[in-house]
Amino acid sequence: AQTVTQSQPEMSVQEAETVTLSCTYDTSENNYYLFWYKQPPSRQMILVIRQEAYKQQNATENRFSVNFQKAAKSFSLKISDSQLGDTAMYFCAFTTLSSGTYKYIFGTGTRLKVLA
Amino acid sequence: EAGVVQSPRYKIIEKKQPVAFWCNPISGHNTLYWYRQNLGQGPELLIRYENEEAVDDSQLPKDRFSAERLKGVDSTLKIQPAELGDSAVYLCASSDFQSKQETQYFGPGTRLLVL
Repeated sequence: AQTVTQSQPEMSVQEAETVTLSCTYDTSENNYYLFWYKQPPSRQMILVIRQEAYKQQNATENRFSVNFQKAAKSFSLKISDSQLGDTAMYFCAFTTLSSGTYKYIFGTGTRLKVLA
Repeated sequence: EAGVVQSPRYKIIEKKQPVAFWCNPISGHNTLYWYRQNLGQGPELLIRYENEEAVDDSQLPKDRFSAERLKGVDSTLKIQPAELGDSAVYLCASSDFQSKQETQYFGPGTRLLVL
């Protein structure tokens, strides 16, 4: 069974600094997708970044980048130049095509607080 | 492009009462998901639709939960009767089966409080 583990329940970072959120997963699949979602206090889950497992190049979206280590089954999120608006819960998610369906497995989340 | 729309945003009911949530997915997205998110946890899938067909409802507590997506567009999730443990945020998400079907887009959720 696939699992997603986020070992940091809470983190804080000073505004303009860089922070890295950790995520590890377990799967026997070779083709899959990994995501980071952001959920601010308003509860709207927003896609931050997406990584295809078959791509070796790490995904980047503006200030957000990932460090994807397939062999280690690690998928960390780096937020550069942190902004107050980055304060949110961050969820790591995994999905793979199984029996014709994509089923998401979410981690338990990391609560990030950006300090002024 | 409008995102996933959900209503109501908040609902407070007494236990044993019925409650219904509505979701309208992103236009053109034929895959729709209902999730339940308990406080401090990640979302857990309740049911997934491909058009009007429920293709994965293995996690839906069928004794009290029901869902429908009659015309393959908007969907309703119902709980009857509600229990205290049903207090959670109910999230709807959609994806485009034709392209990037693995990427889901979420609505704002409905926060349910059962007293």
